[in-house]
Amino acid sequence: AQSVAQPEDQVNVAEGNPLTVKCTYSVSGNPYLFWYVQYPNRGLQFLLKYITGDNLVKGSYGFEAEFNKSQTSFHLKKPSALVSDSALYFCAVRDVEGDNFNKFYFGSGTKLNVKP
Amino acid sequence: GAVVSQHPSRVICKSGTSVKIECRSLDFQATTMFWYRQFPKQSLMLMATSNEGSKATYEQGVEKDKFLINHASLTLSTLTVTSAHPEDSSFYICSASSGFTYNEQFFGPGTRLTVL
Repeated sequence: AQSVAQPEDQVNVAEGNPLTVKCTYSVSGNPYLFWYVQYPNRGLQFLLKYITGDNLVKGSYGFEAEFNKSQTSFHLKKPSALVSDSALYFCAVRDVEGDNFNKFYFGSGTKLNVKP
Repeated sequence: GAVVSQHPSRVICKSGTSVKIECRSLDFQATTMFWYRQFPKQSLMLMATSNEGSKATYEQGVEKDKFLINHASLTLSTLTVTSAHPEDSSFYICSASSGFTYNEQFFGPGTRLTVL
């Protein structure tokens, strides 16, 4: 079965500093990994995905994520955080096998707080 | 990116009544739509997967007679909460996918259901 884990419930960072939101995964087969962001009382917005190719994936709003196969990680990063980045971030893995084809499995979410 | 709408955004109803939530893909054909439920400060819980023209597949523990899902066209899926009770109060989010292996899911803005 596919799963992702987000070990941090909350991440605090000062504006202008780099940020990292952690995600590790467990999959059978090739991983299809995603990051989404959720603002209060809103649906999820797609940030970026890793399917194949370069391990460093660039996405929306200056975010990027690094796929690390040996560490089974897909951490979300941004060189310089903005207060407006404060939101709830979800890592997800897509199942591509059998009866669960196309299902997404979400991590528990990490609340990012960027302080001015 | 692709746009998914949900209607209504908020609904308040009395206990025992039924509520219908619509999910529409506005600029693409959604072969698969997903319905999630999200409790405060928690991750998304997949309720069911619906493919156009066929019966929805419900996750374990989700009552299919209570949460009726219809996916009659490639752009519309509906979730009807029948005989709603206060414990059904939650944030319901739909997502849509065109079904190609690598495609991310596109999420609607969510519907806040409050049952009095």
